[in-house]
Amino acid sequence: AQKVTQAQTEISVVEKEDVTLDCVYETRDTTYYLFWYKQPPSGELVFLIRRNSFDEQNEISGRYSWNFQKSTSSFNFTITASQVVDSAVYFCALSEDNYGQNFVFGPGTRLSVLP
Amino acid sequence: EADIYQTPRYLVIGTGKKITLECSQTMGHDKMYWYQQDPGMELHLIHYSYGVNSTEKGDLSSESTVSRIRTEHFPLTLESARPSHTSQYLCASSAGPSGAYNEQFFGPGTRLTVL
Repeated sequence: AQKVTQAQTEISVVEKEDVTLDCVYETRDTTYYLFWYKQPPSGELVFLIRRNSFDEQNEISGRYSWNFQKSTSSFNFTITASQVVDSAVYFCALSEDNYGQNFVFGPGTRLSVLP
Repeated sequence: EADIYQTPRYLVIGTGKKITLECSQTMGHDKMYWYQQDPGMELHLIHYSYGVNSTEKGDLSSESTVSRIRTEHFPLTLESARPSHTSQYLCASSAGPSGAYNEQFFGPGTRLTVL
């Protein structure tokens, strides 16, 4: 069955520290897609990145980077030099062609960046 | 930038009232979704639609109903609101029918409180 686990419920760091948010997924499909979303206190979910199962290249976007490893079924998200504005709940999600193409979301990790 | 709108943003009503939460998108997306979420907590899919006249129940049982008469509009109705319905309701859409690849775009949410 499809499942997304985010073992870290809450993380607190001090500004400028690096932080990694873990995401582990389960799927039987060979074709699937992984996503990260950010939900700031305003409540709206903001799309950050998509990765397909055939592309294991790591990606960097500014202070954000993502490490996708099929061998460990993980899709971790690192924020470098964290800022207070990074404080939010972050959700990892999985989508599969053979699961009605709907998303399975992880439970989220609440990140607090302290000044 | 995604254009998906939800009204009202906040709603406080008494038990037993009928309410309709509005969701509209201007992107011409085929797929639309409703999620229920306690603030900062896990998202639960309660309804989805793959196009006009298509509606399906999601993973979480809900007493609400939805309709999809027009592509851009996906309202959610509660016939008789109860305090247990107090939550945040998020509407989302994604392009289709190209499979699981497309990210979902989220509206700002409606925070419902039933007294």
